[in-house]
Amino acid sequence: GAVVSQHPSWVICKSGTSVKIECRSLDFQATTMFWYRQFPKQSLMLMATSNEGSKATYEQGVEKDKFLINHASLTLSTLTVTSAHPEDSSFYICSAPSLGRDEQFFGPGTRLTVL
Amino acid sequence: GNSVTQMEGPVTLSEEAFLTINCTYTATGYPSLFWYVQYPGEGLQLLLKATKADDKGSNKGFEATYRKETTSFHLEKGSVQVSDSAVYFCAWPGAGSYQLTFGKGTKLSVIP
Repeated sequence: GAVVSQHPSWVICKSGTSVKIECRSLDFQATTMFWYRQFPKQSLMLMATSNEGSKATYEQGVEKDKFLINHASLTLSTLTVTSAHPEDSSFYICSAPSLGRDEQFFGPGTRLTVL
Repeated sequence: GNSVTQMEGPVTLSEEAFLTINCTYTATGYPSLFWYVQYPGEGLQLLLKATKADDKGSNKGFEATYRKETTSFHLEKGSVQVSDSAVYFCAWPGAGSYQLTFGKGTKLSVIP
């Protein structure tokens, strides 16, 4: 099956700093990628849809200036958490649909801890 | 719009017990339905799917049948193993193309 990678797998940062998380489709191209946030013991919440070559589409309640998304190529989307605060600590997961199929492939997730 | 109600856990079973995790949906039409599994410390993996009404998805001993008369897609396994311990998510297409909306997740713990 298709593989999606995320980097880093975990990161610890100080409050006020920015953190960039990368999502890559390794063996297929993805014009669209999705970013999710998962709180402890809770389900995944869709944050935004990343579109290659155009602006991301954010879900209601998600601050676009805080969670910057850049879909620079057909295999790479980045999520930057700007001016991170402890409440931004969470598990961030990206996914990419395989072109022509109704299946999504998920990255392994990035654990962000903001001190 | 589409919505799904998933049985919440946690669920604890002994090895070789029968598993059912309920998932019911409200949808316009008959979208594809999915079960994803998240093992400890990992991302989500597609477990099985059904693309139309009355379809049965199966994988790794798990099964789920897309029942339009009861609008359900319950996940079942006849004999669980310790290695099945994970969080299971029912999922369905969201508002946009390729989007997925997830149920709340059910944590399964299988004890020897």
